[in-house]
Amino acid sequence: QVQLQESGPGLVKPSETLSLTCTVSGGSYMNYYWSWIRQPPGKGLEWIGYIHYAGSTNYNPSFRSRVTISIDTSKNQVSLNLYSVTAADTAIYFCARADGVYSEYFRHWGQGTLVTVSS
Amino acid sequence: DIQLTQSPSFLSASVGDRVTITCRASQGLPNSLAWYQQKPGKAPNLLIYAASTLQSGVPSRFSGSGSGTEFTLTISSVQPEDFATYYCQQLSSHLYSFGQGTKLEL
Repeated sequence: QVQLQESGPGLVKPSETLSLTCTVSGGSYMNYYWSWIRQPPGKGLEWIGYIHYAGSTNYNPSFRSRVTISIDTSKNQVSLNLYSVTAADTAIYFCARADGVYSEYFRHWGQGTLVTVSS
Repeated sequence: DIQLTQSPSFLSASVGDRVTITCRASQGLPNSLAWYQQKPGKAPNLLIYAASTLQSGVPSRFSGSGSGTEFTLTISSVQPEDFATYYCQQLSSHLYSFGQGTKLEL
């Protein structure tokens, strides 16, 4: 059974970079799309972007100018860097694996990690 | 980009009620729709994919239907553990998006 675990600092200062890692275990890592999704407190889900195992990426236009998602296949890790953060970036950040013929839905999710942006 | 609009945003129900949540897309969906249930402090849980296929382990009181731009999630007889927030989600042109959520309340 595949498991995803997010990790990283729980507090980031405004204008700095939010960096998180998602470690994948217990299942296939290859040939999947790995996404980051966030949820501000009390609000809905927002897709940030994905990376394919082979390295291709795509981002939500709302984040495209200040986000990078990368992959370390040797460590089974997917990373998120969100630059120049503000208080509006305070959220629970989830990583998720896309499944389906077109990778159109998310069957596996991490538990999420809360990141607060504050000085 | 395709926008998903759920209705209602809040839904009050009693145990045993039949409830339906609607998700409308701003354009026809090329890859169909998924539904998730989320409880406080937890990650979303996949309920239905491809509009009507029940994820393994999900109770049969959940069902989904629809195509094109209008989709529905139905709970045939609400149970106490079903009070949660529900989201629809789609993929189009390599971009994912979610509906704004429907909170099912007792």
